[in-house]
Amino acid sequence: KAGVTQTPRYLIKTRGQQVTLSCSPISGHRSVSWYQQTPGQGLQFLFEYFSETQRNKGNFPGRFSGRQFSNSRSEMNVSTLELGDSALYLCASSAGGGDSSYNSPLHFGNGTRLTVT
Amino acid sequence: AQTVTQSQPEMSVQEAETVTLSCTYDTSESDYYLFWYKQPPSRQMILVIRQEAYKQQNATENRFSVNFQKAAKSFSLKISDSQLGDAAMYFCAYRRGQIAGNMLTFGGGTRLMVKP
Repeated sequence: KAGVTQTPRYLIKTRGQQVTLSCSPISGHRSVSWYQQTPGQGLQFLFEYFSETQRNKGNFPGRFSGRQFSNSRSEMNVSTLELGDSALYLCASSAGGGDSSYNSPLHFGNGTRLTVT
Repeated sequence: AQTVTQSQPEMSVQEAETVTLSCTYDTSESDYYLFWYKQPPSRQMILVIRQEAYKQQNATENRFSVNFQKAAKSFSLKISDSQLGDAAMYFCAYRRGQIAGNMLTFGGGTRLMVKP
């Protein structure tokens, strides 16, 4: 079974631009979560989608948004990029839904390294 | 809000020896789950072990085991017979139990170096 696939692996953008990152979960997984990893703030939860609905949202400004398609693939978008948005963005998928989701471990992708100049 | 603290930014262990990574957390919840993840240079986070707070028995996965002290809010990871492939960043993570979803709170990480 293919793992979680994130594209692109590396991205360089200019301040003020917008960017879209893509995540394809493991086949059959319905939950997709996004995390931002930076040296200063560590790993922080962005949001989670389940069956095309946002289920949880972290404490990030509205410039960060996401969506999930009917095939469970997910995209996250960052508008009006700032230098501080430079980070590794990790996507994770899991099979579970509802309160039993803890029984379905998270499977992470290799991340997208975004550099804002 | 829940917080997770890993007080050891770096640890070093000799190959075949045992090492313990520390993690403490703060929560007012009684139902929650704790995890240890490993992040090698490939950047992919890999689940090492998980513990349900309602279980008193410490989780074990091959060479990896935890010491879960609920009253002290401590969750340490013990790696026995350390191997070169164990070298990585290790993250402790917390998840509330009574909500759906996979919103994890991570600690700052511990870089583990394994000496041959």
